[in-house]
Amino acid sequence: SYVLTQPPSVSVAPGKTARITCGGDDIGRKSVHWYQQKPGQAPVLVINYDSDRPSGIPERFSGSNSGNTATLTISRVEAGDEADYFCQVWDSSGDRSGDHYVFGPGTKVTVL
Amino acid sequence: QVQLQESGPGLVKPSETLSLACTVSGASINSYYWSWIRQPPGKTLEWIGYIYYGGNTNYNPSLKSRVTISIGTSKNQFSLNLKSVTAADTAVYFCATGPGYSSGLDYWGRGTLVTVSS
Repeated sequence: SYVLTQPPSVSVAPGKTARITCGGDDIGRKSVHWYQQKPGQAPVLVINYDSDRPSGIPERFSGSNSGNTATLTISRVEAGDEADYFCQVWDSSGDRSGDHYVFGPGTKVTVL
Repeated sequence: QVQLQESGPGLVKPSETLSLACTVSGASINSYYWSWIRQPPGKTLEWIGYIYYGGNTNYNPSLKSRVTISIGTSKNQFSLNLKSVTAADTAVYFCATGPGYSSGLDYWGRGTLVTVSS
């Protein structure tokens, strides 16, 4: 099964930029989705298909994907951005019945 | 606006079957892809599987032998059955949906905690 890696934690001062990476073998050839999850709440999709921002998600959230690393960037970080962030890909093995979503281990973003 | 709501027992005994339902409003079960995802306390998310086009399914290979996702008895409802549960199946279970085969999941239920214990 496809394996994703994320740093356990990222700390950032308010107003600065946070970059959260998601590593995987040739991940640039896959589509990556990103979720924000606050304690006790369901995840919220913040980036779809590498860099598309769903309706209602601030422009401060952006995504990129190339080579072996996908990156979620949060600009002008606010206190309300403190949360866990998970990346997700669709692991397609060729046998459609075995295709499935894989999530990364998550990164806790702390706003200093 | 699509809304999802999980329901079912919060406590299941080891070796028994975990059964949950997800009630959908604002969209038809015959459209989109309807997923179950779980999250053990303090851990990451794990996709269980989904149902689409009114009856087709895909399951996580790691759970496939124990999982069944089906359209529920109520018109706009889908269900999860996970058999032979152990303590490792203790988790918050979410239902969610996305528009495509491999798209992001843009609507989620609030989740329900299921504890496996005797």
